[in-house]
Amino acid sequence: ETGVTQSPTHLIKTRGQQVTLRCSSQSGHNTVSWYQQALGQGPQFIFQYYREEENGRGNFPPRFSGLQFPNYSSELNVNALELDDSALYLCASRTDRVSDTQYFGPGTRLTVL
Amino acid sequence: AQRVTQPEKLLSVFKGAPVELKCNYSYSGSPELFWYVQYSRQRLQLLLRHISRESIKGFTADLNKGETSFHLKKPFAQEEDSAMYYCALTPGSSNTGKLIFGQGTTLQVKP
Repeated sequence: ETGVTQSPTHLIKTRGQQVTLRCSSQSGHNTVSWYQQALGQGPQFIFQYYREEENGRGNFPPRFSGLQFPNYSSELNVNALELDDSALYLCASRTDRVSDTQYFGPGTRLTVL
Repeated sequence: AQRVTQPEKLLSVFKGAPVELKCNYSYSGSPELFWYVQYSRQRLQLLLRHISRESIKGFTADLNKGETSFHLKKPFAQEEDSAMYYCALTPGSSNTGKLIFGQGTTLQVKP
């Protein structure tokens, strides 16, 4: 098992609320990506952070935002939650070597009622 | 458009039978292709990547640029191979963590 952890494991929110999901990467992993995985689908890329700056974004609205901190932790924030935001949220971290692979966390299951 | 297609949601085989999980991709350029696997109650993990040209747990995958395919094969399936398999690509020329995944195929190996 890798050192990528995510919290919380499960979360229930109501429509319109805001949520913050957390990820702790392995030491030395300065790149973190976030994915949304709806039931029965493959993960979809939300965005990537490199050295605390966003440097790549998928097809997600601005109410999805993130932060990356110097201590290899990061956050995914979602404002104005919608029912379709219900999904498993995965973070994945890696070094900045092109040959390196990504290591995934176990995910946070978000349910929006 | 960048897309990965895995046409089978479920593939069921008997132990010892050959396995082929299909993956087709759409991408203008030279992507890097991967297979990820998720065993029951475990996290998503890399199985193999095409640039490594290696065999992992008896699985191999050959990139066919003409057919834009990256099928995963194993000559003799084992029960412990039962899992969800995802094919994915990333732009090969940029240092990005952006992976584009297919919808996944559940492999069920029956005793």
